[in-house]
Amino acid sequence: DIQLTQSPLSLSASVGDRVTITCRASQSIGTSLNWYQQSPGKAPKLLIYLAASLQHGVPSRFSGGGSGTNFTLTINSLQPEDFATYYCQQSYRNPPMFTFGPGTKVDI
Amino acid sequence: QVQLVQSGAVVKKPGASVRVSCKSSGYTFFGYHIYWIRQVPGQGLQWLGRVDPNTGVTNYAQNFQGRVSMTSDTSISTAYMDLDSLGSDDAAVYFCARGRYVSTHVLFDFWGQGTLVTVSS
Repeated sequence: DIQLTQSPLSLSASVGDRVTITCRASQSIGTSLNWYQQSPGKAPKLLIYLAASLQHGVPSRFSGGGSGTNFTLTINSLQPEDFATYYCQQSYRNPPMFTFGPGTKVDI
Repeated sequence: QVQLVQSGAVVKKPGASVRVSCKSSGYTFFGYHIYWIRQVPGQGLQWLGRVDPNTGVTNYAQNFQGRVSMTSDTSISTAYMDLDSLGSDDAAVYFCARGRYVSTHVLFDFWGQGTLVTVSS
């Protein structure tokens, strides 16, 4: 099974900061990686798909990159509503498995 | 607009079964797979499986094989997730999500609000 790790698992930042979260896969997954944001008590929200494509309606301060086993999510100029937990998720299809990373909590 | 609305919170006894429903609107129901993901409070996200409403074909995560069943009723645009033999570690929020394909890549672009399943004697 493909495993995902994230680092850091938590971080403290301030409004206006630039934040980068890393996701590593246990084997190459090409660009089959998505990023989600989850606020407390809410369902996850898709931010980035195919490693670097911005989901419609998501602010451009969010960006993704990487391929193979190493991926990043960057938030430029952190806003108050960005304090949340971020999950990476791989969508390797053969066999179907859709593993999530453990999450990175971004707080003030 | 696309919406997925799930059934309400439930309390079940250990060993019982639970059914969670997920009613879709705002799009062609049989055109997208429905995925089920759960989250133990305070913990991460775990994929359980998926159902293709067009064909009824399912795929389940290995950890849940034999204990989970996913179905759909296209006449009312609703997907269902049944989980048997509940244990205390099945207490979680269960989400349904719409799976959208971009080429061969799947992403979960719309989610239900979540259903809290409590397991208690």
